[in-house]
Amino acid sequence: SQTIHQWPATLVQPVGSPLSLECTVEGTSNPNLYWYRQAAGRGLQLLFYSVGIGQISSEVPQNLSASRPQDRQFILSSKKLLLSDSGFYLCAWSPNRGNHNEKLFFGSGTQLSVL
Amino acid sequence: AQKVTQAQTEISVVEKEDVTLDCVYETRDTTYYLFWYKQPPSGELVFLIRRNSFDEQNEISGRYSWNFQKSTSSFNFTITASQVVDSAVYFCALSGPYSSASKIIFGSGTRLSIRP
Repeated sequence: SQTIHQWPATLVQPVGSPLSLECTVEGTSNPNLYWYRQAAGRGLQLLFYSVGIGQISSEVPQNLSASRPQDRQFILSSKKLLLSDSGFYLCAWSPNRGNHNEKLFFGSGTQLSVL
Repeated sequence: AQKVTQAQTEISVVEKEDVTLDCVYETRDTTYYLFWYKQPPSGELVFLIRRNSFDEQNEISGRYSWNFQKSTSSFNFTITASQVVDSAVYFCALSGPYSSASKIIFGSGTRLSIRP
């Protein structure tokens, strides 16, 4: 069966510090991978998605970047965090069938607080 | 442009009451997909249902039922005889046709609280 792991669960970082959130998927190959952000009291905003190794698409301009160094590994990064980067970050995957409307499987999320 | 509106920010009902969560969507596509996800306090979103635009038949799964009406662009979710374990944030979502360009977009969610 497929599983998705996301860590850390919580993170408190000072403004201006770097960020690295990691997500890995097991039990499937060549998945679509996604990073979403959920701001307090708001919906889910798609930040990045990837359909293959080294292939990253950004949905919104921001202070963050993403990388996919391996087939089932997806990393969210920042060189210098801003207060506005605080939020709940969710990694998700879906089967890669050439589309993005398959159901998503989500990780347990990372609560990031930038102080 | 695609848009999903969940006008109910928070709903609170007493256990065993029925509750309906509203979802209204906007799209210019003739083929599209609608979803509902549940986010319990643990934070992880759980898939509930996926429905394509050509299937307007209502669906029932235990205490859960979904009413899809293309005429009003709505995909409402009803929980019958609610239980405390149903307390969560519920998200409605929309994606376009079967193509690599169409992503899933989410509504802002409805926080449902079931009081014992």
